[in-house]
Amino acid sequence: RKEVEQDPGPFNVPEGATVAFNCTYSNSASQSFFWYRQDCRKEPKLLMSVYSSGNEDGRFTAQLNRASQYISLLIRDSKLSDSATYLCVVIGSGGYNKLIFGAGTRLAVHP
Amino acid sequence: GAVVSQHPSRVICKSGTSVKIECRSLDFQATTMFWYRQFPKQSLMLMATSNEGSKATYEQGVEKDKFLINHASLTLSTLTVTSAHPEDSSFYICSAGVAVGYNEQFFGPGTRLTVL
Repeated sequence: RKEVEQDPGPFNVPEGATVAFNCTYSNSASQSFFWYRQDCRKEPKLLMSVYSSGNEDGRFTAQLNRASQYISLLIRDSKLSDSATYLCVVIGSGGYNKLIFGAGTRLAVHP
Repeated sequence: GAVVSQHPSRVICKSGTSVKIECRSLDFQATTMFWYRQFPKQSLMLMATSNEGSKATYEQGVEKDKFLINHASLTLSTLTVTSAHPEDSSFYICSAGVAVGYNEQFFGPGTRLTVL
């Protein structure tokens, strides 16, 4: 089983739609969680951290369910510029802040 | 702030040659640098973690004699792919951490390696 699993998509949605991605992780001891965004042939960029209490940043809402070991990302009022691959990232064990990446969920927003 | 550069951005080489990739933190000192590899439509996979002045820690399955990492200063780490083969063709990305215990890593723009 992969340490971090995501639905690869693609999710094809019209502008203005609300879309949600889920991610599951296998290590129950994981403490830190993030969503990154990666555009084609570019480096990943931090989108937001994910906290147990949930957090919101504009149109983006991230939530963590520790009991079920899943993380979600909700994007409201999708824009064309939201088209990208969204990577679920978990801090692994072993020190050095080792990031473990999911394979990503691809989002395509169309007019 | 927190800018990481990589050079070269793209390299094409013949099989059997060695390729060096540089990763620099431009406006901060990076206590730890990480090297990742990403094959098409796959996740970033951590190859190794390096701390300035000490040997790199390689992930399981990564050949340390093939992927040489040197972290000579707090702003520079290099990855050398020795005797590159077509299966080494990939997107190599470095990242830098500011301090141990601080989660955020700052990523370089990546180097696309194509081995003919």
